[in-house]
Amino acid sequence: DVKVTQSSRYLVKRTGEKVFLECVQDMDHENMFWYRQDPGLGLRLIYFSYDVKMKEKGDIPEGYSVSREKKERFSLILESASTNQTSMYLCASSLGGATRPQHFGDGTRLSIL
Amino acid sequence: DQQVKQNSPSLSVQEGRISILNCDYTNSMFDYFLWYKKYPAEGPTFLISISSIKDKNEDGRFTVFLNKSAKHLSLHIVPSQPGDSAVYFCAAMSGGATNKLIFGTGTLLAVQP
Repeated sequence: DVKVTQSSRYLVKRTGEKVFLECVQDMDHENMFWYRQDPGLGLRLIYFSYDVKMKEKGDIPEGYSVSREKKERFSLILESASTNQTSMYLCASSLGGATRPQHFGDGTRLSIL
Repeated sequence: DQQVKQNSPSLSVQEGRISILNCDYTNSMFDYFLWYKKYPAEGPTFLISISSIKDKNEDGRFTVFLNKSAKHLSLHIVPSQPGDSAVYFCAAMSGGATNKLIFGTGTLLAVQP
């Protein structure tokens, strides 16, 4: 079974802090993704990566950056946290090639005070 | 602009009956569609998918139907079980190696015993 592990289930940070969310997958997947889930808005893609050191902006990249130094690890960085970044953050991974389902971690509930 | 729409935020069904969840999309370039199921405090799990070259795909109690001319897909669950109670997301992909998904806003299914 694919395992996507997010480092924290719950996180509370303060406005202006730099926040790191970590994600690790154990199936040698090429693609990794970061989403946020908000009520009534579904899952929205923040950034994705299709290879080590490669990244592409998703639909809502503003205020975020990412890092992928190793194939198994994909980090989401909130450069200066703001209250509107309070959300559920979900990491996913998939094999490369068309029509490969994404496999998700259990999410990090982030609160910015 | 929401390219993938789930117009019913919630659905309640009796155990043993059929559940029908609906999804509409606007982008005719989408060629692969997926359904995910999400329990509270867990990440979404992949349920079933369908390619645009097909109009039906079955997996046990779950069947997905695709009507390309109407840009509509539906997920049928027969018979519904209380353990099916969850949020269901439909998602669409327009191909390519990065498997970028566009998600709908989700439908909360409640199966009453």
